[in-house]
This record gives sequence, structure tokens and C-alpha cells, in this order.
Amino acid sequence: DTAVSQTPKYLVTQMGNDKSIKCEQNLGHDTMYWYKQDSKKFLKIMFSYNNKELIINETVPNRFSPKSPDKAHLNLHINSLELGDSAVYFCASSQPLGTEAFFGQGTRLTVV
Amino acid sequence: DQQVKQNSPSLSVQEGRISILNCDYTNSMFDYFLWYKKYPAEGPTFLISISSIKDKNEDGRFTVFLNKSAKHLSLHIVPSQPGDSAVYFCAASGSVGNTGGFKTIFGAGTRLFVKA
Repeated sequence: DTAVSQTPKYLVTQMGNDKSIKCEQNLGHDTMYWYKQDSKKFLKIMFSYNNKELIINETVPNRFSPKSPDKAHLNLHINSLELGDSAVYFCASSQPLGTEAFFGQGTRLTVV
Repeated sequence: DQQVKQNSPSLSVQEGRISILNCDYTNSMFDYFLWYKKYPAEGPTFLISISSIKDKNEDGRFTVFLNKSAKHLSLHIVPSQPGDSAVYFCAASGSVGNTGGFKTIFGAGTRLFVKA
């Protein structure tokens, strides 16, 4: 029974397209996150939501828009994809904010 | 501006010996520190954590040491096992955002190889 699940696991798309990555957690956590792991393997926070409310928005292009329809879901929508968006995107949740997080398996996005 | 640094990209250790992974941080506002383990094609999994009010936390073969004055923490794995081979991320949490927001910042990771 997966705690944090994200779909799809792999996503290959062309430049300029719009795509979404979905994330769901069944842990009852109030806080959810999106992280990006770039080619240098750094894990960087993109967004953090607490009780469906955005609390952290790092320096991320506004082509990236998170959406939290409820506490258990935090989806990531990306408009006008660029080559530099290619990375692995991880969803995570924790309770409370800043404590040990549970991560999804990642979505490898490749923009061609 | 890397606030959490893991200066060793990789570490190789013989099975049964001790593995020591190091992490340095620059911001004294961090007050909670975590270690995560990551296997290929999987998300990071939480391993062990320590609050800034402690200097040591132990969980089975894993011990985390915190030296606040040096802004340094380390993860000791003893005895090391081949299944411990993975990437280990150090992370630090605190109110360190530009607007004082609470966030967790990860280091770049250290790849541990445990040889049988």
C-alpha cells in the first residue's frame, strides 16, 4: 500500500507542450512538497503546501503551477516545457512541516 | 549558495567496517537535521534525524552525531553491509527562507559503496 504515489513514473514530451504530474498521499499528512533533482543530483525544494495552502514557493518559473485540490493531493502542472525542465521530480509529504518526509518514487521528465 | 554541503561525492567501505558520512551546514537557524537514503529509481527514504538540542541519536546500526559549534553532522553506519550501498542525503530544516519561511534544504548526496 503505497504511502506517496506519483504518476507517471516516466514522461517524455516535446518542447512547448504542457504536462501534469499527479501526486497522492494516504498518510493523512498536512504538508506536501515538490522537489526537483537536477542533472547534478541536487534535490531542491520547489513548492510546499500545508493544508492545501501554498507556504513555500522557491525561485521557480511561473510556468510551474502546483494545485492542491485537497490535503491528500498535490499536482504539478508545467506549461511550455523547455529542455532545461528535464529532471526527476519528487513529491513528498510530512507531518508536521520540516520533519521526516515520505517521498514518491519520482517522475523522470525528459523534454526533447 | 549551498547551505548544506556534503563534500564527499562518494565513499567506499569494506563490509563489516564503519561508514562515516559527513555533512556541513552554514546557517545557524537550522534546528532539525535528517539523513535520507536513496536507491536508484526510487525516492529518498528517511533514515534517522536529530534535533539541535541533542548531539547524538542512535537507531540500530545508524548513529547521527551533531556538532553545533562546528555546524557539522555525521552519520555512522556500523557494521556496514552491502545493502547499505546507496546515495545518502543530509538535510537540514529551519526558518531559513528569505521571508523567514520554514524549509528543508538537502545536500548533494554521498554515494556509499559497501564491498563484500
